[in-house]
Amino acid sequence: AQSVTQPDIHITVSEGASLELRCNYSYGATPYLFWYVQSPGQGLQLLLKYFSGDTLVQGIKGFEAEFKRSQSSFNLRKPSVHWSDAAEYFCAVGAWGGATNKLIFGTGTLLAVQP
Amino acid sequence: DVKVTQSSRYLVKRTGEKVFLECVQDMDHENMFWYRQDPGLGLRLIYFSYDVKMKEKGDIPEGYSVSREKKERFSLILESASTNQTSMYLCASSLGLAGGPSYEQYFGPGTRLTVT
Repeated sequence: AQSVTQPDIHITVSEGASLELRCNYSYGATPYLFWYVQSPGQGLQLLLKYFSGDTLVQGIKGFEAEFKRSQSSFNLRKPSVHWSDAAEYFCAVGAWGGATNKLIFGTGTLLAVQP
Repeated sequence: DVKVTQSSRYLVKRTGEKVFLECVQDMDHENMFWYRQDPGLGLRLIYFSYDVKMKEKGDIPEGYSVSREKKERFSLILESASTNQTSMYLCASSLGLAGGPSYEQYFGPGTRLTVT
């Protein structure tokens, strides 16, 4: 069965430092992969997605992610973190829900940013 | 821009009450989803709908039901609310299969439900 693992529950980085959030997936075919961000008290917003083609995808707010099939990973990166990036980040993989497409989410990584 | 709205941001109900959570989307999406979000557990799919009056169980349907009488509206019903249903509830929508492979979901702001 498809699954998504986000091994880091909490991460704290200093403002201006680089960031990498890890995501590993389990899926038989070429996956459709997503990163969402959830600011406190808000719904989820799409940061970026990978369907095919270039394995390095750019998203909003200066984020990027790299699809590595050999490692079954889709890690999210940002070269310089801003205080406003403090939020919870969810990785997801597309799956067949029996009647339509659905997403399977990881358990999330909570990012804290230190001044 | 896709807009998904939820009827309440915060809701407090008593044990045993019947609770309705409403979700409306304005992008003519075929698919709509209800999730609950709990710390450390991520998003868990309760029910989804792929067309008017059509519904499928997700991973945790027990204690919940849904209704979709119009394409833009998807309701989550807690028949008899219990304290273990205290949670954040998120609604989402996405395009159907006719448009090709599309998994991207658009989320509402969430309803934080407390059952006392």
